[in-house]
Amino acid sequence: QQQVKQSPQSLIVQKGGISIINCAYENTAFDYFPWYQQFPGKGPALLIAIRPDVSEKKEGRFTISFNKSAKQFSLHIMDSQPGDSATYFCAASKEGETSGSRLTFGEGTQLTVNP
Amino acid sequence: DAGVTQSPTHLIKTRGQHVTLRCSPISGHKSVSWYQQVLGQGPQFIFQYYEKEERGRGNFPDRFSARQFPNYSSELNVNALLLGDSALYLCASSLGRGQWGNIQYFGAGTRLSVL
Repeated sequence: QQQVKQSPQSLIVQKGGISIINCAYENTAFDYFPWYQQFPGKGPALLIAIRPDVSEKKEGRFTISFNKSAKQFSLHIMDSQPGDSATYFCAASKEGETSGSRLTFGEGTQLTVNP
Repeated sequence: DAGVTQSPTHLIKTRGQHVTLRCSPISGHKSVSWYQQVLGQGPQFIFQYYEKEERGRGNFPDRFSARQFPNYSSELNVNALLLGDSALYLCASSLGRGQWGNIQYFGAGTRLSVL
């Protein structure tokens, strides 16, 4: 059962453009929403994360927009660079001291930024 | 500072064999999680351990087992390997408690090929 759906599957953007990746979740108990970046042969690296008490979080060129009522969140990459070419995963989890936190990942978006 | 380290990097096994994968968390992190990433998909949660206790288990058969040692390192064991077990196995570590205790940092993974 896919609890986090991610789109698009692949994305091609020109250098300097804006990359937008969208995710939708089903489990309303989720309260932590990170984005990970993965390069070939590497493990996922945490990029930026948000909790549902805010609607937007910005770190440098990366912004997460969060819509709790629609159960959707998105990643915006401003001024996209060829070095941003990678696979991006959204994820969600329900935090808990005793229950731990299992991340549920989306299917991934392969981003290509052309020079 | 060293990040999450996993060994071995690559592994080739045949069907029916068993395999042991190892993970050393970031210094100071007391929680370790294991994920399976099949090519072209997002990581799938297998196990989480905190202070040597199992905190969560994903939807994987009993052929998969894990443990955490007093130094917080961890092993993932898979018995009776199947072709479908071929994947990148990722280990993630986290503090395990506190406001940011569940933020997970991933290692580079172990690439397992089952022939």
